[in-house]
Amino acid sequence: EAGVAQSPRYKIIEKRQSVAFWCNPISGHATLYWYQQILGQGPKLLIQFQNNGVVDDSQLPKDRFSAERLKGVDSTLKIQPAKLEDSAVYLCASSFTGQFGNEQFFGPGTRLTVL
Amino acid sequence: SQQGEEDPQALSIQEGENATMNCSYKTSINNLQWYRQNSGRGLVHLILIRSNEREKHSGRLRVTLDTSKKSSSLLITASRAADTASYFCATDESGGSNYKLTFGKGTLLTVNP
Repeated sequence: EAGVAQSPRYKIIEKRQSVAFWCNPISGHATLYWYQQILGQGPKLLIQFQNNGVVDDSQLPKDRFSAERLKGVDSTLKIQPAKLEDSAVYLCASSFTGQFGNEQFFGPGTRLTVL
Repeated sequence: SQQGEEDPQALSIQEGENATMNCSYKTSINNLQWYRQNSGRGLVHLILIRSNEREKHSGRLRVTLDTSKKSSSLLITASRAADTASYFCATDESGGSNYKLTFGKGTLLTVNP
């Protein structure tokens, strides 16, 4: 079974530039998550999709971050414009949610450096 | 906000020793999960324990849950150098069907050969 795919793996940009990350979840997983992980901390949920609808985006800085999952499969996360404090690893995860629990499968992440 | 708080923040042991990490949380949960993260990689699910369970085993892993104290522990027995990683607890406190997890800050485990 193929895992969660993310691209790019690394990205370096100047502050105020824009950047986009892509994620393809495991086939059949209805729920997709984007996390931000700052060095030395645990992942912080940015946005959660159920199919192509947003379930939770309470911690997404909506003035600069946006995300979409148009066909309920792959997803993109965009930052525009980037700030220095956005330097972090952006993790995508997916899960087959249901009565058996919500184990999440993570992609390798995109390491973003904002200069 | 982060629900779980792992303790200790860092742990260094010798190969073959046991490693114990603790997690405390603040609100009622549906389940608690432990994840491992190797340096520069994504997280890998290790084990899930439901709120009505007290102990669970998976290979060299043993997880306990005390809902009265709002705490959990992860024990790794007979540790190996390959166990070197960060370990995170994550709580599902949704109470409904959101299936949202809140992660702690993690424990960095170093197993010396």
